[in-house]
Amino acid sequence: GAVVSQHPSRVICKSGTSVKIECRSLDFQATTMFWYRQFPKQSLMLMATSNEGSKATYEQGVEKDKFLINHASLTLSTLTVTSAHPEDSSFYICSARTGATGELFFGEGSRLTVL
Amino acid sequence: AQSVTQPDIHITVSEGASLELRCNYSYGATPYLFWYVQSPGQGLQLLLKYFSGDTLVQGIKGFEAEFKRSQSSFNLRKPSVHWSDAAEYFCAVAPGTASKLTFGTGTRLQVTL
Repeated sequence: GAVVSQHPSRVICKSGTSVKIECRSLDFQATTMFWYRQFPKQSLMLMATSNEGSKATYEQGVEKDKFLINHASLTLSTLTVTSAHPEDSSFYICSARTGATGELFFGEGSRLTVL
Repeated sequence: AQSVTQPDIHITVSEGASLELRCNYSYGATPYLFWYVQSPGQGLQLLLKYFSGDTLVQGIKGFEAEFKRSQSSFNLRKPSVHWSDAAEYFCAVAPGTASKLTFGTGTRLQVTL
């Protein structure tokens, strides 16, 4: 099946620094990618939807200046957490939708810990 | 707007026993329904989905789910649970195939030997 890869899988950073998480569709072109945030023992909350070559659409309550999303190609979307703080510590999961079938595939997730 | 309720936060079953995980949705029309499984520290894997047609849907790993419009439910079942099925299970709903998913809060399945 289609594969979506996230990198890094785990990252620890100091408060105030910025962290970039990559989401790649390895064997298909993803016209749309989604970024989710998951708190411990909770569900996935959609943060934003990104379409290749256009600005991301953020969900209500998500700070777009803090969570920068770039979808520069049909196989890569990046999430940059700017000026990270401990409350940004979370599990971030991306998903990619194939243009051909519309099917959705999820990455393995990236665990961010901000000290 | 659509919403999903998974009433059971945590379920424990013995290996070999049957399993049913509940999912209720709220949506004005017939939604697209999904069940995903998440192992600790991992992403989500699609177990099965319902778009239309036969209301009993077969998925991977021996799972099935039944769409019941009258009850607004899409419960997940497995006749005989294996220890490797221990994971978090999420029900999700979308108004269309190209639409955003709304997830339930998840049910954590524990399997005792």
